[in-house]
Amino acid sequence: GEDVEQSLFLSVREGDSSVINCTYTDSSSTYLYWYKQEPGAGLQLLTYIFSNMDMKQDQRLTVLLNKKDKHLSLRIADTQTGDSAIYFCAETQTGANNLFFGTGTRLTVIP
Amino acid sequence: GAGVSQSPSNKVTEKGKDVELRCDPISGHTALYWYRQSLGQGLEFLIYFQGNSAPDKSGLPSDRFSAERTGGSVSTLTIQRTQQEDSAVYLCASSRQGALFEQFFGPGTRLTVL
Repeated sequence: GEDVEQSLFLSVREGDSSVINCTYTDSSSTYLYWYKQEPGAGLQLLTYIFSNMDMKQDQRLTVLLNKKDKHLSLRIADTQTGDSAIYFCAETQTGANNLFFGTGTRLTVIP
Repeated sequence: GAGVSQSPSNKVTEKGKDVELRCDPISGHTALYWYRQSLGQGLEFLIYFQGNSAPDKSGLPSDRFSAERTGGSVSTLTIQRTQQEDSAVYLCASSRQGALFEQFFGPGTRLTVL
């Protein structure tokens, strides 16, 4: 099956940038996603990128995709305490019936 | 409702008992998914329903797990003869048409098997 890997923990100071990394193994991945999970809540889609794109920016969020290395990253500029959550990357392919998720990275923002 | 709802939010049961978890998807969403989130692990796909098609059950971990979706809307995930390793958060999601569309997740049901 597909493997999607993330580091488990990341701590940053408020106001700094956060970079959350993800690697995947399936070269036929078509869409890649970043979801955010706050305590006691379901997953919320933050952003997604098509595999034919290298970068996508949405306000404080920047997604970078290196398809050759199968590496996806999420950069959060000016990180705030409200950004503390677990961030999941996920991927899927055309015709697939589900998303394949990484283990999630717990981001802690230190005031 | 406005979002995906799940019930109960928490369920504590004894080993060997059966449990039923319920999911109400967003109205009009034809696709419904069940995932399992175990401590320290990512989300594990369990089952997928799309319209009137036969469900994709490829993620169900054993024959103790089953799911139904009645009338193309509400879904029930049943776990028979629960084991301690079944303890996890069970998440339901729905989307407009399939996995390529944004999946909206419910808050999950935390299942604890004693």
